[in-house]
Amino acid sequence: KNQVEQSPQSLIILEGKNCTLQCNYTVSPFSNLRWYKQDTGRGPVSLTIMTFSENTKSNGRYTATLDADTKQSSLHITASQLSDSASYICVVSGATSGTYKYIFGTGTRLKVLA
Amino acid sequence: AAGVIQSPRHLIKEKRETATLKCYPIPRHDTVYWYQQGPGQDPQFLISFYEKMQSDKGSIPDRFSAQQFSDYHSELNMSSLELGDSALYFCASSLGQGNDEQYFGPGTRLTVT
Repeated sequence: KNQVEQSPQSLIILEGKNCTLQCNYTVSPFSNLRWYKQDTGRGPVSLTIMTFSENTKSNGRYTATLDADTKQSSLHITASQLSDSASYICVVSGATSGTYKYIFGTGTRLKVLA
Repeated sequence: AAGVIQSPRHLIKEKRETATLKCYPIPRHDTVYWYQQGPGQDPQFLISFYEKMQSDKGSIPDRFSAQQFSDYHSELNMSSLELGDSALYFCASSLGQGNDEQYFGPGTRLTVT
């Protein structure tokens, strides 16, 4: 079972609509959680990063929330644009024996239609 | 601002050939990470280097080796290539090997025929 699971696996919405992507994790100990946007064939680009004590973080039209108690995070995209079409990956960082590891989620493929 | 540079961007090799991928980290970054991303899959961590020493090892096959040089660039050497090695190979760099942000390069797409 993946330590970082995302839902939905894929999502299609109309331009201008809002959407929310989910990320559940079991990584422990937990250090921080990042949301990345990855365009097809390109490297992931960081959108937000949240530590244990942060509940919400915004970056333009992207707003991420974190509930460290339930180990859940969400990424809300407001007023979607065609350029938002991409994969959104939740990445949880945890430390094991002093080494930090990035644990990647399965990703949500978002398609925004005109 | 300078980003992580990877070369080549695309590479086509035949089975049993060798390939070398290069990664140039962001200036002053001393840590490099290599990831492999198969079609429709999430990136899998292969190996990392800090200050030219291997710092962590993931699911890197024995056919692969990597090193970090004195100028902090890194090379991933892949031998006896198999069809299943076809993937996007990402390099990321960070300042320090702690909990610092990893900045990803554009990736090298390797196709093995």
